[in-house]
Amino acid sequence: GAVVSQHPSRVICKSGTSVKIECRSLDFQATTMFWYRQFPKQSLMLMATSNEGSKATYEQGVEKDKFLINHASLTLSTLTVTSAHPEDSSFYICSAGALEGNTDTQYFGPGTRLTVL
Amino acid sequence: QKEVEQDPGPLSVPEGAIVSLNCTYSNSAFQYFMWYRQYSRKGPELLMYTYSSGNKEDGRFTAQVDKSSKYISLFIRDSQPSDSATYLCAMSANKLIFGTGTRLQVFP
Repeated sequence: GAVVSQHPSRVICKSGTSVKIECRSLDFQATTMFWYRQFPKQSLMLMATSNEGSKATYEQGVEKDKFLINHASLTLSTLTVTSAHPEDSSFYICSAGALEGNTDTQYFGPGTRLTVL
Repeated sequence: QKEVEQDPGPLSVPEGAIVSLNCTYSNSAFQYFMWYRQYSRKGPELLMYTYSSGNKEDGRFTAQVDKSSKYISLFIRDSQPSDSATYLCAMSANKLIFGTGTRLQVFP
């Protein structure tokens, strides 16, 4: 089946630093990748949708200058949390869609737990 | 009102029990309905995918969709301790909307 990896799986950083999270589709090409955030005991909330080679589309309330997304190839998307603060501590999960525009066939990565001190 | 409502549980059942997990929704534009399983500190894993009213069976899992009532269910037969996880319903019109998840614990 389709495999999506994320790196790192866990990161702890100081307030004010930037953190980059990588999302890779290992055995298929992903024209669309999605970034979600999940707070404890809450649902996954879509942050942004990125298509390879174009700018990401951010959901309402998500600061594009704070959460930088790059989707430079069909197998790699990165999320950079800039100037992270404790309230950014969360579980960040990416997913990859195998067909452009098909939002229902998404394969999820294992997630990255970010803790900002 | 949330677009997707799901009882957070927790739901605790003995091994071998039949488990029923449910979600309701308000947006009639949803066309695709999914159930994901998420183990602690892991990403969601797709279990079932349906797009029409009715039942879909896969092994011990049965997904049921009732569009007229805006209600979906996931049934797990002969539940096992390894089924212990959080189960998320998700629905899609042009993007995935998740329920909050129901935490299930199956004890031996």
